[in-house]
Amino acid sequence: DADVTQTPRNRITKTGKRIMLECSQTKGHDRMYWYRQDPGLGLRLIYYSFDVKDINKGEISDGYSVSRQAQAKFSLSLESAIPNQTALYFCATSEGEGYTFGSGTRLTVV
Amino acid sequence: SQKIEQNSEALNIQEGKTATLTCNYTNYSPAYLQWYRQDPGRGPVFLLLIRENEKEKRKERLKVTFDTTLKQSLFHITASQPADSATYLCALVVGWVTGGGNKLTFGTGTQLKVEL
Repeated sequence: DADVTQTPRNRITKTGKRIMLECSQTKGHDRMYWYRQDPGLGLRLIYYSFDVKDINKGEISDGYSVSRQAQAKFSLSLESAIPNQTALYFCATSEGEGYTFGSGTRLTVV
Repeated sequence: SQKIEQNSEALNIQEGKTATLTCNYTNYSPAYLQWYRQDPGRGPVFLLLIRENEKEKRKERLKVTFDTTLKQSLFHITASQPADSATYLCALVVGWVTGGGNKLTFGTGTQLKVEL
C-alpha cells in the first residue's frame, strides 16, 4: 500500500457541486498538507495541519475547506466548485526531512 | 516580492553527461532548501535537503550546492541516464513555524530530458 493514498484519482464535476477529496497516510506523521498544481504556477499550498486539532490556511484557501478527522486522515472540500478550481491536487505529509506526497487527484470542473 | 525561479525551458542533454539545474530565489532567507523529482501525473518525490550552513550535499549521482550570498542552489546529476528524465522542483523552507512544523514553497520546476 502507498504511504499516502488519495481518492479519487480522477473526478469530473459540475460547477456549483460540493466535492470532497480524501487523503489517508500510513506514515504516522502529524503534519499534513494540501497543495494544488497548475501548469506554469507550480505547487501552491491550500491548507495545512500540524496535528489533529490544528488547521491553518495556506496561500490560496478561498473556496476550500478541510477536515482533519484523525492523525491519518485529512480531507479537502470544495464547497461550490468553479471551473478555475480545475487542477491536480496533492496531499502530503512530513516529519523531519522531506515531504511524502500522494499520487494526486485530477479534478475537472465543467 | 518573493520569487523562486527555475528555468522554465526544458534541459536536453546526452546520456552520460552531467545535468545541472538552477534554482534562484529573491526576498527569501531560507533555513533550508529541498529538491524533488516529479514524473508526469505523479506526486513529487523528495531527493535531497541542504541547510543554510551547508555548501554542498551528495547522494549517489546527485549533488546539491547552496549559495546564500548568490541566493542560488544548483542541482547536478552526474552520468545521467534516460531514466533521470523528469521535472525537478526546488522548494524553500523559510523558517520553523511555531509548533514545530515547516511549510515548503515550491518553484515551478525544470523538465530534464536525457537522450540516448
